[in-house]
Amino acid sequence: DGGITQSPKYLFRKEGQNVTLSCEQNLNHDAMYWYRQDPGQGLRLIYYSQIVNDFQKGDIAEGYSVSREKKESFPLTVTSAQKNPTAFYLCASSFGQGKGTDTQYFGPGTRLTVL
Amino acid sequence: AQKVTQAQTEISVVEKEDVTLDCVYETRDTTYYLFWYKQPPSGELVFLIRRNSFDEQNEISGRYSWNFQKSTSSFNFTITASQVVDSAVYFCALWMDSSYKLIFGSGTRLLVRP
Repeated sequence: DGGITQSPKYLFRKEGQNVTLSCEQNLNHDAMYWYRQDPGQGLRLIYYSQIVNDFQKGDIAEGYSVSREKKESFPLTVTSAQKNPTAFYLCASSFGQGKGTDTQYFGPGTRLTVL
Repeated sequence: AQKVTQAQTEISVVEKEDVTLDCVYETRDTTYYLFWYKQPPSGELVFLIRRNSFDEQNEISGRYSWNFQKSTSSFNFTITASQVVDSAVYFCALWMDSSYKLIFGSGTRLLVRP
């Protein structure tokens, strides 16, 4: 089955630790995205990548880092510099390079809680 | 300013009622795209529809229909004969060439009671 997988589903982090969220897609999509969702709010863009070995900051990139070494994978690292990392994180991907004609499809999400 | 407003935070209906979810957007671009996504309790966003700014035809897909009106900058979503499985958070989103990203509204939580 083609789709987007995210792991883990739930993640607990102690303050001061870096954690990495996994996102993998087998849809042969060019572009991948990371969003953050806080309770009662819409999604906010953290980072996006249109092609391998290239990525751009979104609206709330501070305290996060990404890599895009393979077309299928776009891991997100939440660093200790992120002051309020507790949130629901969603990964998405799309054909093409992320234009309006390219619908974004989402993974199941990772819920990160800082203890 | 570019933004998406979903003024209805929560809506509660009884099964089989019709319900309309409102979406109002702001943009100065002439070319843009509007989307609706459904987020069930599992958390994953499910794509429902994409509409470009040059296509104002209303669309119907089963019990779902969408009304796009550029004159009022609205892209409303109606569920006919609602079902319990329709309970979810629904997001409206806007994409523009000038921003090159999806801008989401804050979502409307729909509860359909049996």
